[in-house]
Amino acid sequence: QVQLQESGPGLVKPSETLSLTCTVSGYSISSGYNWGWIRQPPGEGLEWIGSVHYSGITYYSPSLKSRTIVSVDTSKNQFSLRLYSVSAADTAVYYCARFPGSGVRYFDFWSQGTLVTVSS
Amino acid sequence: EVVLTQSPATLSVSPGERVTLSCRASQSVSSDLAWYRQKPGQAPRLLIYGASTRATGIPARFSGSGSGTEFTLTISSLQSEDFAVYYCQQYNNWPALTFGGGTKVEI
Repeated sequence: QVQLQESGPGLVKPSETLSLTCTVSGYSISSGYNWGWIRQPPGEGLEWIGSVHYSGITYYSPSLKSRTIVSVDTSKNQFSLRLYSVSAADTAVYYCARFPGSGVRYFDFWSQGTLVTVSS
Repeated sequence: EVVLTQSPATLSVSPGERVTLSCRASQSVSSDLAWYRQKPGQAPRLLIYGASTRATGIPARFSGSGSGTEFTLTISSLQSEDFAVYYCQQYNNWPALTFGGGTKVEI
């Protein structure tokens, strides 16, 4: 069974960088698939942030592209999110998830989610 | 960006009832649409992909239909665990995946 678990700070100061890592178990990232980040502000809906293919190719939401980097480390079976210059609007539960691949971009396995609060 | 509009925003129903949720896309997404159920405090769970294919382990009371811009999710007989928020997601317009605003199904 594929399992995903996020790790990283739960509190980030405004203008700083939000950094999260997702560790995958039960599946080798280098075997394929794509891996992504989705967030959900408290009481609101879901927003896709960006995704990375196991080869390292990345794709980003147009609205967040300018301040987002997603990367993969196949040796650690992890992928990561960096969101720069954060503000209170970036406060959200952040999920990492898997999607099958080209043309098939729904998310079939999700992490439990981690709340990241942006505040001084 | 493809905007997905879900209706109604909230649906008040009783256990055992049949419910139909709607998702409308601002432009055609073919059949590249998925549905998720999110219980309070949990991550979303994939229910339907390809507009009408049930994901692994999803019971037959869930069914999806539609193509182009109009989609529906039907739950034939609502169980207690189905009181949750439901989201649709399109994956036709890449790389700009989008989700609908959600429909809350409450008792």
